[in-house]
Parts: sequence; structure tokens; C-alpha cells
Amino acid sequence: GDSVTQMEGPVTLSEEAFLTINCTYTATGYPSLFWYVQYPGEGLQLLLKATKADDKGSNKGFEATYRKETTSFHLEKGSVQVSDSAVYFCALRGAGGTSYGKLTFGQGTILTVHP
Amino acid sequence: GAGVSQSPSNKVTEKGKDVELRCDPISGHTALYWYRQRLGQGLEFLIYFQGNSAPDKSGLPSDRFSAERTGESVSTLTIQRTQQEDSAVYLCASSLGPSGVRETQYFGPGTRLLVL
Repeated sequence: GDSVTQMEGPVTLSEEAFLTINCTYTATGYPSLFWYVQYPGEGLQLLLKATKADDKGSNKGFEATYRKETTSFHLEKGSVQVSDSAVYFCALRGAGGTSYGKLTFGQGTILTVHP
Repeated sequence: GAGVSQSPSNKVTEKGKDVELRCDPISGHTALYWYRQRLGQGLEFLIYFQGNSAPDKSGLPSDRFSAERTGESVSTLTIQRTQQEDSAVYLCASSLGPSGVRETQYFGPGTRLLVL
């Protein structure tokens, strides 16, 4: 079945550092890929998405590129801020007809950014 | 506009009791999903509704778990004879549809369930 493997955390960075959170997946066909973020005390919200190979999703300075050849969707940001401290989840929606839109999630990566 | 709402926000119950968790999706969203997040783990899919039918119940962990949805509105997740391993945050999400440009799922704040 579908699965998502996400970089284990927690990740601790200083402000303005470069961020990479690795995400690889196993799925048949061409799934849609997502990054969700959960800020402290808030609900899960969509950060960015990509629906086909070589697409780049971007939002709030974060980027991730859908790499079919390496089955990866790594999250990057060039200069993190304290306000980026949150839990980040990589997820996929299967391409098969019976996936019905359900999301398969990675385990989440806790990011803490210090001033 | 209003987002997905869930109630209660927290629930403490004794082992063996039944609990009902409620989800109010965003108005107009035909697709509704329930997920479970155990401590330190990712989200696990439980069930998907399209309208008031559930074409995918594959994530329900046992027959103690059931869910229903009224039209394209409120959904209730019921756990009978709760066990300690049911302790988790139960999240509800809704979307305009299951795929394509309508697929983005919007999540509620969750219900934190603790079974003593």
C-alpha cells in the first residue's frame, strides 16, 4: 500500500538558517503530494502541494519539488524564522480509483527555530 | 468564513464507556474524512464520506468504531466500549471533492480523547 517516510526530528535551527525536511513515498502511479503544517495550538493546515512530476509547490517561502525518479518531495526554505516553528507533515493522495482522496501521512517533523 | 469545527475539544472517559465525537464540515464540502493521531505518530485514515455514504471504511480499526453522516453536513464518529489504546486526537477534514482541484482537505482542531 501507499506509504510516506519522513525525516525524523526534532530539527533545531537558528533563525535565517537553511531548512530541508526529507520526504520519500511509495505509491503506484502518480499520487498528489502535500506538506501540511501544524503551528502550536492550531489545527493542521495545508502548506503546499504538487500534483504531477516536476511540479514545484511553494508558499510562505517554502518550496518542494515532486521528483518521480527519486519518489521524493523534500521541503526547503532558504531562511527560517522563529515563527516557522511547528510540526510539518508530508502526505500523499493515491492515484488509484479506490483511494477516494484519503491522505497517507508521514510521522511528522518537529521544527524549532531559535532567535 | 467558518472552518471545520469539532466537539468536544477534549473528552476523558473510562474504559468500557461509549463516546461520540462530532464534526461540522465547511458548508458545501461534499467529502469528509476522519483521521486519528496517536501520540508521537502520524495521522491514520479512518473513514471517508462522500455525501452521506461511506465508500471507504478501510481505516476503521475494529467493529467498535462506526461513523455516520447526515446528508452533506454533520458527521459523528462513535467508539463503543472504549479501550486505552483508543486514546488519541481524532481529526476531521472536509473538502469540496476527493480529487483534482477540489481535493484540498481542511482540518478541524481535533478532539483529544483520553481513555482511563
